[in-house]
Amino acid sequence: DSGVTQTPKHLITATGQRVTLRCSPRSGDLSVYWYQQSLDQGLQFLIQYYNGEERAKGNILERFSAQQFPDLHSELNLSSLELGDSALYFCASSPSFDPDTQYFGPGTRLTVL
Amino acid sequence: GESVGLHLPTLSVQEGDNSIINCAYSNSASDYFIWYKQESGKGPQFIIDIRSNMDKRQGQRVTVLLNKTVKHLSLQIAATQPGDSAVYFCADLGGGSQGNLIFGKGTKLSVKP
Repeated sequence: DSGVTQTPKHLITATGQRVTLRCSPRSGDLSVYWYQQSLDQGLQFLIQYYNGEERAKGNILERFSAQQFPDLHSELNLSSLELGDSALYFCASSPSFDPDTQYFGPGTRLTVL
Repeated sequence: GESVGLHLPTLSVQEGDNSIINCAYSNSASDYFIWYKQESGKGPQFIIDIRSNMDKRQGQRVTVLLNKTVKHLSLQIAATQPGDSAVYFCADLGGGSQGNLIFGKGTKLSVKP
């Protein structure tokens, strides 16, 4: 158990819909990272937040957004969902803004029908 | 561009044998590398890391070797056990990238009893 929690574990929705994935980092960690894992693209970095502020952005679509709240939990919002958005979404956390030694949560499996 | 890839997509070994999983990276400015293990249905689990000022680092039953000359990374698992069966990813934190761990496609390790 990495100490990173993610909810929900599974999510099934329809195209065009909007969903919110939630992540709580390890106690004391200030950075949260979001990744997408699909069969054809592997693990892709989406975005990093550090202490409430966006710190780095990767291959995140404009339909996706994230935020980190004062209690350091983070939410990833996915809107106008498409079939291709079906994937595993992982959250990771690290103690500082340095992106090394990230600890991953169990993931949320999103299925878009 | 930056890329991290694995030489072999699958590796099958006999229980008790040593396993070697290889990884190539392309960014010569990369200064930090991590190996992750991902079991079915779980998030990536940190195994071991190494910085570019080192050639070798040892953990419990695992050793990571870094050859900067040929931009090659390997993970050696001693006395492989059935519990080692998983997909192993190398990840690279390229110089100048913030929060952007670049993951390879992964190697599936199967341990035969």
